Amino acid sequence: GQQLNQSPQSMFIQEGEDVSMNCTSSSIFNTWLWYKQDPGEGPVLLIALYKAGELTSNGRLTAQFGITRKDSFLNISASIPSDVGIYFCAGRVRETSGSRLTFGEGTQLTVNP
Amino acid sequence: DAGITQSPRYKITETGRQVTLMCHQTWSHSYMFWYRQDLGHGLRLIYYSAAADITDKGEVPDGYVVSRSKTENFPLTLESATRSQTSVYFCASRELSSYEQYFGPGTRLTVT
Repeated sequence: GQQLNQSPQSMFIQEGEDVSMNCTSSSIFNTWLWYKQDPGEGPVLLIALYKAGELTSNGRLTAQFGITRKDSFLNISASIPSDVGIYFCAGRVRETSGSRLTFGEGTQLTVNP
Repeated sequence: DAGITQSPRYKITETGRQVTLMCHQTWSHSYMFWYRQDLGHGLRLIYYSAAADITDKGEVPDGYVVSRSKTENFPLTLESATRSQTSVYFCASRELSSYEQYFGPGTRLTVT
């Protein structure tokens, strides 16, 4: 199946720092979604992107749909302890996925107070 | 309450037993999905459904059965549970016209 490479796998940062993570693929995507998963809970949708170059914010979170359509980026500004969790990217390949999404393996974020 | 719910939240069963995981959504979403989440594999699609009485296989369907007689419910059955099916199972749903999937809280299943 399609592969999404999400990096980094984990991050350890201090409260107040900014965070960047990304997903890349060899396939062209027409939708990118970013989710956050807290321990013991299901993933929660943070941001959805539908156009190449699109930049969308949700509070301190900003995500971008890469110009090549093969990547996406998520930034978190001024991190706080409740940002801790696993962040997943998910995408729909332009021509082959039908109803399915392809998921990255997640970035585990730890924020030290 | 509106949203997507899963039951039970935790289940322990023995190898060979049949177990059914329930998923219910109140949004009238057309599509519903079942995923399993395991360390090192991320989220993998088991089955999905585009509408009542329409289901299709995902990436890892072997050992699982689904049905969808009503739009709001999408049960997942393990007909003869195996230890390799120990996992966290998530149900998700989305509207017909959107690719944004919304997830339930998950069911942690342990097969002994």
